Amino acid sequence: EAQVTQNPRYLITVTGKKLTVTCSQNMNHEYMSWYRQDPGLGLRQIYYSMNVEVTDKGDVPEGYKVSRKEKRNFPLILESPSPNQTSLYFCASSSPGRGNTEAFFGQGTRLTVV
Amino acid sequence: GQQLNQSPQSMFIQEGEDVSMNCTSSSIFNTWLWYKQDPGEGPVLLIALYKAGELTSNGRLTAQFGITRKDSFLNISASIPSDVGIYFCAGHLNNDMRFGAGTRLTVKP
Repeated sequence: EAQVTQNPRYLITVTGKKLTVTCSQNMNHEYMSWYRQDPGLGLRQIYYSMNVEVTDKGDVPEGYKVSRKEKRNFPLILESPSPNQTSLYFCASSSPGRGNTEAFFGQGTRLTVV
Repeated sequence: GQQLNQSPQSMFIQEGEDVSMNCTSSSIFNTWLWYKQDPGEGPVLLIALYKAGELTSNGRLTAQFGITRKDSFLNISASIPSDVGIYFCAGHLNNDMRFGAGTRLTVKP
């Protein structure tokens, strides 16, 4: 089954404690991206990756890092989480046709930073 | 950054009614997309539009790509309880995907 898998689904952490949210897709997509979803703001893109070793900033990259060492995985790293990063995070991968526009989303990771 | 203006924010309708929601932007996009998000899940693509003026249907859903490339609408006909959820519009241009804030739809049986 084609899917995007994120882990963990829920995470509560303390300010400053480094964390990684993993994302894996089994569709051989080149394009992957991370979003955060906040009430009243919809989804905002954090980072995206066009291919292995190619990453670029989205709309709200501050406080986040990503890496793309292999095609299927695109982890999101918070080196020093702060309470304003409490949010619902989604990873997505896009099929190559139509300019990588049609995104498949993971189930989300709800992060709380206290 | 530029966000899309999506309206209405929420809708409460009776089963069987038709629904209309729209999205506008001050910038143009090459692609407009509509997603639906169920509680506890990620958004799922409903309809994608690639050409200004394009009108596309997917079952009871119909969406249009505005001729100015700055707006799009989604219609749902004869709503049913499983239509409940949050609907997001998205505009795409040069690897930049922008989302609206969502329309929360509630359908009363």
